[in-house]
Amino acid sequence: GNSVTQMEGPVTLSEEAFLTINCTYTATGYPSLFWYVQYPGEGLQLLLKATKADDKGSNKGFEATYRKETTSFHLEKGSVQVSDSAVYFCALSADSLTQGGSEKLVFGKGMKLTVNP
Amino acid sequence: ETGVTQSPTHLIKTRGQQVTLRCSSQSGHNTVSWYQQALGQGPQFIFQYYREEENGRGNFPPRFSGLQFPNYSSELNVNALELDDSALYLCASSLVVAEGSYNEQFFGPGTRLTVL
Repeated sequence: GNSVTQMEGPVTLSEEAFLTINCTYTATGYPSLFWYVQYPGEGLQLLLKATKADDKGSNKGFEATYRKETTSFHLEKGSVQVSDSAVYFCALSADSLTQGGSEKLVFGKGMKLTVNP
Repeated sequence: ETGVTQSPTHLIKTRGQQVTLRCSSQSGHNTVSWYQQALGQGPQFIFQYYREEENGRGNFPPRFSGLQFPNYSSELNVNALELDDSALYLCASSLVVAEGSYNEQFFGPGTRLTVL
């Protein structure tokens, strides 16, 4: 079945450090891939997405490239800020549901990032 | 434009009880999905409602049920609560205009359910 494996934390970095969060997936077909972020007390927010192989998603200084050959979608940021402290989830969209609608999302376990000043 | 809202924010129940959680979709959205997020885990898909009908279910027993209303708000009902049902319950809404097209899901802040 479809699944996502991501680096688990927690991870603590200093401000301006480089961030990489590894994510690999198993899926039938060609899923879309996502990174979601969950700030304390808030719902999940879409950070970036890629819908086909070699696509690069980017937002707020974060980037991730859809690598079909390695089934990976690693998240990177060159210089983290205190405001990036949150839980990060890698996800893929599974098979379309029976009658249209939105695709089901399959999430990894999440990684908690703390950035210290 | 109002985002996705959920109520209540927190809830404490005892084993065997029943609970109803509510979700108001973002304005104009016609699809709502429910997810369960256990502590330290990623969200798991429970089911989805599209045009007021259940449109797919994850690996959850029938005591998890739902409704979508004509205004596209939604309820998640859980009967015969078990301790393992303690989790954050998230709903996500989206606007589907064409089958097969990508449609972003917008998440609410969740309802934290504790079962004692």
